[in-house]
Amino acid sequence: DAGVTQSPTHLIKTRGQHVTLRCSPISGHKSVSWYQQVLGQGPQFIFQYYEKEERGRGNFPDRFSARQFPNYSSELNVNALLLGDSALYLCASTPHSPGTYNEQFFGPGTRLTVL
Amino acid sequence: GENVEQHPSTLSVQEGDSAVIKCTYSDSASNYFPWYKQELGKGPQLIIDIRSNVGEKKDQRIAVTLNKTAKHFSLHITETQPEDSAVYFCAAPGGAQKLVFGQGTRLTINP
Repeated sequence: DAGVTQSPTHLIKTRGQHVTLRCSPISGHKSVSWYQQVLGQGPQFIFQYYEKEERGRGNFPDRFSARQFPNYSSELNVNALLLGDSALYLCASTPHSPGTYNEQFFGPGTRLTVL
Repeated sequence: GENVEQHPSTLSVQEGDSAVIKCTYSDSASNYFPWYKQELGKGPQLIIDIRSNVGEKKDQRIAVTLNKTAKHFSLHITETQPEDSAVYFCAAPGGAQKLVFGQGTRLTINP
């Protein structure tokens, strides 16, 4: 079975621009989460979506938004990019509904560089 | 909210020796503790996890132990091999909707 897939692999943007990152979960997984991983640190939770509804939000500004589609794929959008948004953006999927164990499987990530 | 502390930040061991990485957590209600391995340029890979109703779990050369009273859990890798070199992260639930990660341990296996 294919794992979590993300696109694009790498992305370079300039300050003030907007970016859209995409994620396809493992087949059969209905829950998708997004994490930001700054170089040298552990992943930080941004959002979780389950059955197309937002079920959790981390401590990130409103410039960050996401959505989940009927096929359970997801997009993460970031507006008005700042230099500090440069990071590896990870998508994770889980077969579990919110409220159960949080076994999560990560994709390879999208490396975003903001110049 | 949950806070996870991980140490050491770097660890270097000789090939064939054992490696131990330790994590502490703050929320006594946490009930699930995964370990991830992250190789350069890749996403984190789930290598083992433990639930709060057991004290130890093994999978070949990898084991995880959990001490709920002390609120800490550890990853043990025996007979280390060069391919074990990577960054390892522990995590704990920060509420049902997310994982809170430790700061990571860079493990280097010296031939």
